[in-house]
Amino acid sequence: QKEVEQDPGPLSVPEGAIVSLNCTYSNSAFQYFMWYRQYSRKGPELLMYTYSSGNKEDGRFTAQVDKSSKYISLFIRDSQPSDSATYLCAMSEEGFQKLVFGTGTRLLVSP
Amino acid sequence: GAVVSQHPSRVICKSGTSVKIECRSLDFQATTMFWYRQFPKKSLMLMATSNEGSKATYEQGVEKDKFLINHASLTLSTLTVTSAHPEDSSFYICSARRSAGYEQYFGPGTRLTVT
Repeated sequence: QKEVEQDPGPLSVPEGAIVSLNCTYSNSAFQYFMWYRQYSRKGPELLMYTYSSGNKEDGRFTAQVDKSSKYISLFIRDSQPSDSATYLCAMSEEGFQKLVFGTGTRLLVSP
Repeated sequence: GAVVSQHPSRVICKSGTSVKIECRSLDFQATTMFWYRQFPKKSLMLMATSNEGSKATYEQGVEKDKFLINHASLTLSTLTVTSAHPEDSSFYICSARRSAGYEQYFGPGTRLTVT
């Protein structure tokens, strides 16, 4: 079993839709949870960061962590064509020695 | 702020040659730099972690003699792929982290093709 599981997609939605992206994980020691966005042939950029369980909102983006279920989500409201990219979840134990990434979900938002 | 550059962005080399990839933090000091490898439709795989002035720590399964990492200054780390083979063809991405903080800032990546 992989440490972090993420559906690779692609996920196709029309502009304006609410997008839900998810990851599951097996390592209960993970405490820090991040979502990165990666455009084609570019490096990832950090979108959201959450510590332990709970919700965090930033503009159109909401990150949720449910440690009891080992499940994290990223919601994108009012999706735009510019949101089309690959979204990677990443996790780390205390101390941030290293990040463990999911495979990434490719999102396509059509106008 | 927090910009990381990589050079070159693309490189094609012949089998058996060595290739050096540079990773620079342009506007901050990076005490720790990370090197990742990314295959199509696969997650970023951490290859090694390097701290300035110290030897790199390699992940299990990564050949330290093949992938030489040097972190000689707080703004520069290099990855040298020695005696490259076609199976080394991949997208290599570096990231850098400040001494205080959790966030890794990623470079734009280097596409290596070995013919």
